[in-house]
Amino acid sequence: DIVMTQSPDSLAVSLGERATINCKSSQSVLYSSKNKNYLAWYQQKPGQPPKLLIYWASTRESGVPDRFSGSGSGTDFTLTISSLQAEDVAVYYCQQYYGSPRFGQGTKVEIK
Amino acid sequence: EVQLVESGGGFVQPGGSLRLSCAASGFALSAYYMSWVRQAPGTGPEWVANIKQDGSERYYVDSVKGRFTISRDNAKNSLYLQMNSLRDEDTAVYYCARDLYDILTGSSHDAFDLWGQGTMVTVSS
Repeated sequence: DIVMTQSPDSLAVSLGERATINCKSSQSVLYSSKNKNYLAWYQQKPGQPPKLLIYWASTRESGVPDRFSGSGSGTDFTLTISSLQAEDVAVYYCQQYYGSPRFGQGTKVEIK
Repeated sequence: EVQLVESGGGFVQPGGSLRLSCAASGFALSAYYMSWVRQAPGTGPEWVANIKQDGSERYYVDSVKGRFTISRDNAKNSLYLQMNSLRDEDTAVYYCARDLYDILTGSSHDAFDLWGQGTMVTVSS
């Protein structure tokens, strides 16, 4: 199984500032022949299901604000919120779908 | 409106059974791989099972193999999860989720672009 580890577990960022969340997989999730990273990011607010933000490591889902961006390849990935808004307070999860799907433990983002 | 609505959760004793249902609307369930994903209180989501569009292939996380069965009825636009021999550790919110479909390649992938609101399953004596 490919294990996903996120860092930090939580972070507090001022409104309008950048938030950066890291995700590391225990083995590469890059499918070389397709040149695609099988990595997704989700946002979950209290009492709601997760919402897909990013797939293929950097492709934004339709309707997701462009302040959310994903980067990285192989085993190391980053979700960046370029200018934190109040509505971005949530828990964020990375997930690999290279093998049996597996999520990270989550990163809680709060307002400083 | 495109949505998924789960039902069938509840309180059950260890060793008991439950059958979850998921009703899809606003899209053709038959076109998509579908999954069940659960989330225990205070933890991250855990993928449980998925099923191919025609039901010919099914996959499970190791912890539920032999106890859970995923099925679908495309004519009814519905997905199901039969859960037997339930354990305390199966306590979670269970979500029905739609697998990502890549239009360019015609392939499905286990990222989840549509989720239901979830149904709570509590296993306790």
